[in-house]
Amino acid sequence: NAGVTQTPKFQVLKTGQSMTLQCAQDMNHEYMSWYRQDPGMGLRLIHYSVGAGITDQGEVPNGYNVSRSTTEDFPLRLLSAAPSQTSVYFCASSYSVIAEQYFGPGTRLTVT
Amino acid sequence: GESVGLHLPTLSVQEGDNSIINCAYSNSASDYFIWYKQESGKGPQFIIDIRSNMDKRQGQRVTVLLNKTVKHLSLQIAATQPGDSAVYFCAENHNQGGKLIFGQGTELSVKP
Repeated sequence: NAGVTQTPKFQVLKTGQSMTLQCAQDMNHEYMSWYRQDPGMGLRLIHYSVGAGITDQGEVPNGYNVSRSTTEDFPLRLLSAAPSQTSVYFCASSYSVIAEQYFGPGTRLTVT
Repeated sequence: GESVGLHLPTLSVQEGDNSIINCAYSNSASDYFIWYKQESGKGPQFIIDIRSNMDKRQGQRVTVLLNKTVKHLSLQIAATQPGDSAVYFCAENHNQGGKLIFGQGTELSVKP
């Protein structure tokens, strides 16, 4: 199993550009989530999904969209990037929210 | 408001000593708690979890204690090793939905 994979590993955007961060898991997990991590801080939940077709907002959802058309994939979209979105983004999956979450390696995003 | 926080941002211990990392939570309705370890440049890794119907749970060299009376969680690492050097996060599940909320983190440094 590849576990949780994220692409790209690094990305630089200009203010106003859009992009999609990809996340995929091959463990047949129902629960998937996106977090951002700023320097010296913990992880803040952006959006999460408890199954295909179901998504919900986390702590800091503004500026981000998600969809969950399949169990395996959970892309995160930035429609109009802002410097405040410079961060490291982690995707995670688990069979349930009250279970061990497996994290991807992260995407380091810089918005100039 | 609801929050998960840590008492100390940094902790330095001698190799071979026991480490104790503390975490306070404010949501008395939380029913699941989890500890993660994050090494530099990597995603968080699961250490141990505990449900609210338990006071203590042990793993390999690690023990989590839950005190619901004072809403306090701790992670004890026995015979701390240099490989234990990392940032440790506690997280709680708000049982009204799929949100897993992380605390700020404690950086553990192990001196040889």
